[in-house]
Amino acid sequence: AQSVTQPDIHITVSEGASLELRCNYSYGATPYLFWYVQSPGQGLQLLLKYFSGDTLVQGIKGFEAEFKRSQSSFNLRKPSVHWSDAAEYFCAVGYGSARQLTFGSGTQLTVLP
Amino acid sequence: DADVTQTPRNRITKTGKRIMLECSQTKGHDRMYWYRQDPGLGLRLIYYSFDVKDINKGEISDGYSVSRQAQAKFSLSLESAIPNQTALYFCATSEPGYNEQFFGPGTRLTVL
Repeated sequence: AQSVTQPDIHITVSEGASLELRCNYSYGATPYLFWYVQSPGQGLQLLLKYFSGDTLVQGIKGFEAEFKRSQSSFNLRKPSVHWSDAAEYFCAVGYGSARQLTFGSGTQLTVLP
Repeated sequence: DADVTQTPRNRITKTGKRIMLECSQTKGHDRMYWYRQDPGLGLRLIYYSFDVKDINKGEISDGYSVSRQAQAKFSLSLESAIPNQTALYFCATSEPGYNEQFFGPGTRLTVL
């Protein structure tokens, strides 16, 4: 069965600092991987996705993620965090004929001024 | 206007009551999904639908039922609500294939 692990429940960074959010997945076939962001009181918005090809994918809001098959990881990065990036971030793996998503438990990001 | 809407946005109900959460979309997508979100657990799939005649159980369907009234409408029902169904519920839509799922704003449900 597929699963997604986000080992960091909460991360705090200063504005302008770099950011890396970790995501590890378990899935027997080729993974389809996603990062979503949830701002307070909002639904989820897709940041980026990986299906195949270049293992470094670019997303919206200056985010990027790197797929590493050998490490079963899909970590999200941003070189310089803005206060507006404070939110909860979810990694997800797509599977099955209906392309269902299995989500990680999320990482809450706090940005200090 | 939002592409995926959910009503109500907030609901407080009592144990044993029947409640329906509604989802409407204007994106023209065939696929619709219901998830619940609990702190520390992420989102878990309750039901999903390929089209109006194709409804499937997800990871945690016990205690829930759904109805796909039209391509644009997908409702989630709790026949007899219980306190551990207190959660944030999201509806989502997508096109076939590994495309983005578009999420509604969520319904916060509290069962007393």
